[in-house]
Amino acid sequence: NAGVTQTPKFQVLKTGQSMTLQCAQDMNHNSMYWYRQDPGMGLRLIYYSASEGTTDKGEVPNGYNVSRLNKREFSLRLESAAPSQTSVYFCASMREYYEQYFGPGTRLTVT
Amino acid sequence: QKEVEQNSGPLSVPEGAIASLNCTYSDRGSQSFFWYRQYSGKSPELIMFIYSNGDKEDGRFTAQLNKASQYVSLLIRDSQPSDSATYLCAVGMSGGSNYKLTFGKGTLLTVNP
Repeated sequence: NAGVTQTPKFQVLKTGQSMTLQCAQDMNHNSMYWYRQDPGMGLRLIYYSASEGTTDKGEVPNGYNVSRLNKREFSLRLESAAPSQTSVYFCASMREYYEQYFGPGTRLTVT
Repeated sequence: QKEVEQNSGPLSVPEGAIASLNCTYSDRGSQSFFWYRQYSGKSPELIMFIYSNGDKEDGRFTAQLNKASQYVSLLIRDSQPSDSATYLCAVGMSGGSNYKLTFGKGTLLTVNP
């Protein structure tokens, strides 16, 4: 039982490049989330998916898109990366009663 | 705007002491409350959750909730150097079928040997 997995672990992009961050969970959870964490800003919600086939914007959605491919997988796409998107990105899935479990994170640097 | 406030610290305690971490929240409709521990360079790890007023104990950890005062705390007894980490308070509230957490910015705890 791997829990929540994320790929890649590290990535460096040039401004304007695109990439997709992958997330998968094997806990049969319905809800999945993407956060970014920046120094002094805490964890901020980018997008979430309450169930397969649905996605909703969080606090900081601009510059991102998501796809809930199936119940296990939830991907985050940066269409045209900007230096302001340099951050650590965490995916999480949620058991009942709001208990969220996090993946190991992706450290993204945009130059 | 739902807010969760924590003292950023750092909070420094000697080994064996009690560490007390505090959190306040703005939304009276909040239903669930969580404490996550995050070591440097790692992902947040859920260590405690509480849903009802009062205390909840799990080993060396005690979570306390006071909904009237909109206040939740985490006590760590017999603090160990391995407890040194950032502690994140998170508050949950449902919006229809959507369940989201709002996180505080975290308190850095240092336990000195």
